[in-house]
Amino acid sequence: AQKVTQAQTEISVVEKEDVTLDCVYETRDTTYYLFWYKQPPSGELVFLIRRNSFDEQNEISGRYSWNFQKSTSSFNFTITASQVVDSAVYFCALSEAETGRRALTFGSGTRLQVQP
Amino acid sequence: DTGVSQDPRHKITKRGQNVTFRCDPISEHNRLYWYRQTLGQGPEFLTYFQNEAQLEKSRLLSDRFSAERPKGSFSTLEIQRTEQGDSAMYLCASSLGSNRPQHFGDGTRLSIL
Repeated sequence: AQKVTQAQTEISVVEKEDVTLDCVYETRDTTYYLFWYKQPPSGELVFLIRRNSFDEQNEISGRYSWNFQKSTSSFNFTITASQVVDSAVYFCALSEAETGRRALTFGSGTRLQVQP
Repeated sequence: DTGVSQDPRHKITKRGQNVTFRCDPISEHNRLYWYRQTLGQGPEFLTYFQNEAQLEKSRLLSDRFSAERPKGSFSTLEIQRTEQGDSAMYLCASSLGSNRPQHFGDGTRLSIL
């Protein structure tokens, strides 16, 4: 069965520090998709990135970057030069293409607190 | 392009009462999903629709839960005979096709007295 593990429950950093959020997944499918979502204190889930299992290229978007490694079943998220506005709960999620299950399986989330 | 809209934002009810939530997806999104999120946890899948067809239901969705999406537009989630354990945030999401990013609404927070 599919599973997503975010072992870091809470991380606290000081502004301008770099921080990496870990995500490890389990799936039997060879075709699957990985996602990151941000949930700020206001509560809405905001989509950040989608990556399919055949694309292992790292991606950078501004201060955000993602490292996908199939060999270790990991999809880690790094925020460079963190800012107070980055404070939120971040969720990693998985959806499987082959089994036909289209719903997202979420990890339990990592709460990031960025102190000024 | 308006986002996913959910109503109400908050619902407080007594145990044993029935409640109904509404979700309006992003227009032209054919897939609509319901999730439940409890404090400190990630969202858990409940059910999803492709157009008006309900294609999958989670084991979490007991017989007291029912969802509809008439005409493939808005959706409703009804909980009958509410229990304390139903207290949670109920999230709706929509997407344009399978495995495309799901866009979430602000959720309906249900509190059972």
